Amino acid sequence: GQQLNQSPQSMFIQEGEDVSMNCTSSSIFNTWLWYKQDPGEGPVLLIALYKAGELTSNGRLTAQFGITRKDSFLNISASIPSDVGIYFCAGTNRDDKIIFGKGTRLHILP
Amino acid sequence: EPEVTQTPSHQVTQMGQEVILRCVPISNHLYFYWYRQILGQKVEFLVSFYNNEISEKSEIFDDQFSVERPDGSNFTLKIRSTKLEDSAMYFCASSAPDTADYEQYFGPGTRLTVT
Repeated sequence: GQQLNQSPQSMFIQEGEDVSMNCTSSSIFNTWLWYKQDPGEGPVLLIALYKAGELTSNGRLTAQFGITRKDSFLNISASIPSDVGIYFCAGTNRDDKIIFGKGTRLHILP
Repeated sequence: EPEVTQTPSHQVTQMGQEVILRCVPISNHLYFYWYRQILGQKVEFLVSFYNNEISEKSEIFDDQFSVERPDGSNFTLKIRSTKLEDSAMYFCASSAPDTADYEQYFGPGTRLTVT
């Protein structure tokens, strides 16, 4: 089945640093999604991308839909403590099924 | 702000028992979903539901699983005979009819522990 390869698996950064994570797939997706999951809670949608090449920002977050439709990245600028959590990329082809990546766990060092 | 709610937050059951996990989707949403997340792993799609029928299901969603919308507000996931490997967080999600962009809103999850 379709799979997403998300990297890195975890990141340890200093507060104030920028963060970059990405997702690749051997399959094409029509929509790329980025979610954040806090401990004990469900995933929350951060950014949705609908067109190849699209670059979208949400505050300090920026995500891009790769031109090949097989990849996407998420950048977080000037990280703050509340950015800690697990970030999931996800893809869908409008068949009601979202495929999730394995997540990138972000740790922020004091 | 409207949100998806789920009950119970934690369910402990013995292997072989039936469990029903309950969800109340956002009120004007018409698409409903169940996902599961085994501890420390990725979120996995189980099933989607629209217009009172399953529209898509994964290979995980076998005959032991069923979903129902018994009234205008609840959406349930039933596991008929639980197995140890069913232990996971189960998330319900819903999306609005005009969001073909699949902006699904997730509930807080139910932690199912099968002993």
